[in-house]
Amino acid sequence: DTGVSQNPRHKITKRGQNVTFRCDPISEHNRLYWYRQTLGQGPEFLTYFQNEAQLEKSRLLSDRFSAERPKGSFSTLEIQRTEQGDSAMYLCASSLVAASANYGYTFGSGTRLTVV
Amino acid sequence: SQQGEEDPQALSIQEGENATMNCSYKTSINNLQWYRQNSGRGLVHLILIRSNEREKHSGRLRVTLDTSKKSSSLLITASRAADTASYFCATDHNTGGFKTIFGAGTRLFVKA
Repeated sequence: DTGVSQNPRHKITKRGQNVTFRCDPISEHNRLYWYRQTLGQGPEFLTYFQNEAQLEKSRLLSDRFSAERPKGSFSTLEIQRTEQGDSAMYLCASSLVAASANYGYTFGSGTRLTVV
Repeated sequence: SQQGEEDPQALSIQEGENATMNCSYKTSINNLQWYRQNSGRGLVHLILIRSNEREKHSGRLRVTLDTSKKSSSLLITASRAADTASYFCATDHNTGGFKTIFGAGTRLFVKA
């Protein structure tokens, strides 16, 4: 286990289609975060899990977005009925509850979504 | 909305020079972190400074925190071309959960 893994790296989809991204965190980490980043901007918080519980969701996460983390391991982020405004880099990060206060997050390389 | 705001938005220097980036934030924090992002890649955690610390070093990096001014600075000494990247400050807040809020970043270009 060498880090946070995200799949796919790139996704091109037509407007109106559904897409699903996967994140595999560092196995010892019990916190998992999703962020969205558009060109020239910093990452924007979407949601986070502690183990399997989704503890917070941003208002950016519309009804078309849903995230899950079954069994507190990997996580999926699904976007339904994609819109061109959903085009962005979707970043996943993980941390230990205690270590997040001292060591920050470990990020994956992201999934770049392009909606055409 | 983003909590941290970096200044400058972009910085271009010669290899060997020092690079200083600043970050300001609005509300009380538990800690402040700096991350680096190479083009099209994920973020890499560089350094974390807690709210009760004033200065921290890691290799060529020096971070200061002034909670009275709600500001932080990141100094990269003896810059290298490989330091070319975007640098983000991020603040940690206890809002009933712990989430980290990122600024818009400073784009650093180090010319060889």
